[in-house]
Amino acid sequence: GAVVSQHPSRVICKSGTSVKIECRSLDFQATTMFWYRQFPKQSLMLMATSNEGSKATYEQGVEKDKFLINHASLTLSTLTVTSAHPEDSSFYICSVRPSGNTEAFFGQGTRLTVV
Amino acid sequence: AQSVTQLGSHVSVSEGALVLLRCNYSSSVPPYLFWYVQYPNQGLQLLLKYTTGATLVKGINGFEAEFKKSETSFHLTKPSAHMSDAAEYFCAVSGYTGQFYFGTGTSLTVIP
Repeated sequence: GAVVSQHPSRVICKSGTSVKIECRSLDFQATTMFWYRQFPKQSLMLMATSNEGSKATYEQGVEKDKFLINHASLTLSTLTVTSAHPEDSSFYICSVRPSGNTEAFFGQGTRLTVV
Repeated sequence: AQSVTQLGSHVSVSEGALVLLRCNYSSSVPPYLFWYVQYPNQGLQLLLKYTTGATLVKGINGFEAEFKKSETSFHLTKPSAHMSDAAEYFCAVSGYTGQFYFGTGTSLTVIP
């Protein structure tokens, strides 16, 4: 069964609105989760590292005020795309690497379309 | 710093032929190396991984990869391609922090 669950799997929103994506670790407590973005026909790019109980760490070039990350519990991280624009349309994927594991588990992804 | 380079964004093979997808990595620390497969609009499925130990790693669906430190490579192979192997393949490197860095991907087409 799934180790990491993302919701929703697909979302369409209007330009200027905000969208929240949830990432749940079902089998592990996760002090750290990771958010990736994948544009069509491109690779996954790390956006940010979500840290439970503290601020997220963003990769260079990722706007922290636009992509709000909250990691309030050991099993849930949320990514909110604020004031979405069509160029934010992408596939967003989260991952969890349990402590002591070398393997990361990925969510099934969220397809965001901004119209 | 860690990075991955995948040579060949598109690879086409005939059904039953050898599959070879190339991956070279750069890492300042001993790397963990992975191959993932992605089908359209889906997440990532782990094919195989190298962490330590035996350098020839066997994965699911008949895939295997060999870690060659001297060549900084981790090429993915399968002796005989099947139609169901058509997908996007990503090589990735990770270190102790848990962050993954992916290559640009290789789209595999299998010709009947």
